Amino acid sequence: DAKTTQPTSMDCAEGRAANLPCNHSTISGNEYVYWYRQIHSQGPQYIIHGLKNNETNEMASLIITEDRKSSTLILPHATLRDTAVYYCIVFTGYSTLTFGKGTMLLVSP
Amino acid sequence: GAVVSQHPSWVICKSGTSVKIECRSLDFQATTMFWYRQFPKQSLMLMATSNEGSKATYEQGVEKDKFLINHASLTLSTLTVTSAHPEDSSFYICSARRGLGEKLFFGSGTQLSVL
Repeated sequence: DAKTTQPTSMDCAEGRAANLPCNHSTISGNEYVYWYRQIHSQGPQYIIHGLKNNETNEMASLIITEDRKSSTLILPHATLRDTAVYYCIVFTGYSTLTFGKGTMLLVSP
Repeated sequence: GAVVSQHPSWVICKSGTSVKIECRSLDFQATTMFWYRQFPKQSLMLMATSNEGSKATYEQGVEKDKFLINHASLTLSTLTVTSAHPEDSSFYICSARRGLGEKLFFGSGTQLSVL
């Protein structure tokens, strides 16, 4: 799977939108962009995924650039419970899911 | 979303003993299950991939005789850490998917501490 690049950490104020960027400049045409998050001492939780169109669900929105070389995960109204490590992964669905280091998002009051 | 149950949540054992961790897909049949290991402040590392009814495929550097994986049914996979040693202490996480092209769902993890 192609590699991704994410900032090591980000801060966000409670109630504000959290915008988490991800670069995946070598993504292949059949690779999806997946986002998972891991709250301390728990298993990863699926958030959202997309191929080339923007996606939205009850948890977040995913914005993928037209050239698909980068994407942004948006948590529209961050809460303290959104504090977690967020992983951006490119994945065909037919291979193994490989985790990078992710972004540690700290939501503060 | 689909539910993957992992048990136990934590286990403490003596060096030299074996520990079994169970992973169950509660509301779907999982053709493939994956086992990951995570050390403190590090990311998840894939240990092995198991398909129902066949032998697991282990990642390079993972001892298959030490980490025994059984995927006997479409809803259950087990990981047995044999002759555990303190360096095996880690957070073990399973995941499952319905089939190729499907997203993965993860268990809540098992914290293993070997004394």
